[in-house]
Amino acid sequence: EPEVTQTPSHQVTQMGQEVILRCVPISNHLYFYWYRQILGQKVEFLVSFYNNEISEKSEIFDDQFSVERPDGSNFTLKIRSTKLEDSAMYFCASSENHPQNTGELFFGEGSRLTVL
Amino acid sequence: TQLLEQSPQFLSIQEGENLTVYCNSSSVFSSLQWYRQEPGEGPVLLVTVVTGGEVKKLKRLTFQFGDARKDSSLHITAAQPGDTGLYLCAGPGGSNYKLTFGKGTLLTVNP
Repeated sequence: EPEVTQTPSHQVTQMGQEVILRCVPISNHLYFYWYRQILGQKVEFLVSFYNNEISEKSEIFDDQFSVERPDGSNFTLKIRSTKLEDSAMYFCASSENHPQNTGELFFGEGSRLTVL
Repeated sequence: TQLLEQSPQFLSIQEGENLTVYCNSSSVFSSLQWYRQEPGEGPVLLVTVVTGGEVKKLKRLTFQFGDARKDSSLHITAAQPGDTGLYLCAGPGGSNYKLTFGKGTLLTVNP
């Protein structure tokens, strides 16, 4: 069964360092997302990506964050200068259909980021 | 912003009991989805409900979408320890390109 894969599963970094989280969405999906979940808290939307550009971003997704789909298969989230409060589980997701059209999201297993 | 309120936040029951968890909003949703998340993993879609009043069954799980499409419920019959997890409802979040999640109900089924 097709699945969304994420790497690394866990990354520990020092505050101020750059981090890149990688995702391979399901191949025939058109919409891509990053969500994050701080331990014990809700799943929060960060950004959605469609047609090779950001379609929507949340207030969390500030200038320190960027996304890219460099080669038609990978979908990356970069945090330029990590802060302690960026520590969270980051989930990549993809969907075949538009969210307004019952676009069901398929999530990866997450990348746990720990900022020290 | 369309908010989804889930209740209860925590639920601990014994194996074999029945339970219902709720997802409510003041906004109308074109559809709602239920996901289950286990510790250290991503949410996994259980069901999508689209039509007001719709009822969907998935083995011992029954999902209902309110007539006004503002609320949904998940009923589990004869809960088993394998049902333990965080149950999340989600809906198209007001704008076009995201799903908004509720905070979830953390269910623990004790053997």
